Amino acid sequence: ELKVEQNPLFLSMQEGKNYTIYCNYSTTSDRLYWYRQDPGKSLESLFVLLSNGAVKQEGRLMASLDTKARLSTLHITAAVHDLSATYFCAGRKGGSEKLVFGKGTKLTVNP
Amino acid sequence: DSGVTQTPKHLITATGQRVTLRCSPRSGDLSVYWYQQSLDQGLQFLIQYYNGEERAKGNILERFSAQQFPDLHSELNLSSLELGDSALYFCASSVAPRIGNTIYFGEGSWLTVV
Repeated sequence: ELKVEQNPLFLSMQEGKNYTIYCNYSTTSDRLYWYRQDPGKSLESLFVLLSNGAVKQEGRLMASLDTKARLSTLHITAAVHDLSATYFCAGRKGGSEKLVFGKGTKLTVNP
Repeated sequence: DSGVTQTPKHLITATGQRVTLRCSPRSGDLSVYWYQQSLDQGLQFLIQYYNGEERAKGNILERFSAQQFPDLHSELNLSSLELGDSALYFCASSVAPRIGNTIYFGEGSWLTVV
């Protein structure tokens, strides 16, 4: 059974700093998703990573995937307050239709 | 706005009652997913439909059922409600399963069971 673990679960950082959220998964996942959720709101799709070595960037966020290490990272560059949210990663086992989500990382960016 | 529409946005009901949550997928999307989000369980996959047929089942209780209609909208029926069913229920859609497409989530339906 696929299990997805994120760390840290809580992250408080200052504006302008860089940080990385880690997403480990237990068995082969044929793709890796990153979502953002504001409190009480929907899940906003950020990235879909399909293959080993995949790297995608959007603004101050960059995601990468290492399938051999079963690890995806979400790197935040020069954080701003607007990035405050909960970030989820989700894996999907090949042949399965369901996404398995991590517990989420609650990011707070302080001025 | 993801293009996935869910109604109602908020619902308060009593234990033992039955409710129906409705979802309209994005235009052109054939696959519909239902997820439950709660504080203790996190985001849990419930069930998936593709073009009217059930494709995958997750941790869905027997008291819950779903269907996808010919116009591709979907309904999630929750019956004999218990306090523990209080959660945010998301519908999501994608063009088709097993393709590297984005899965888009709706705004969710907040269910409170009292």
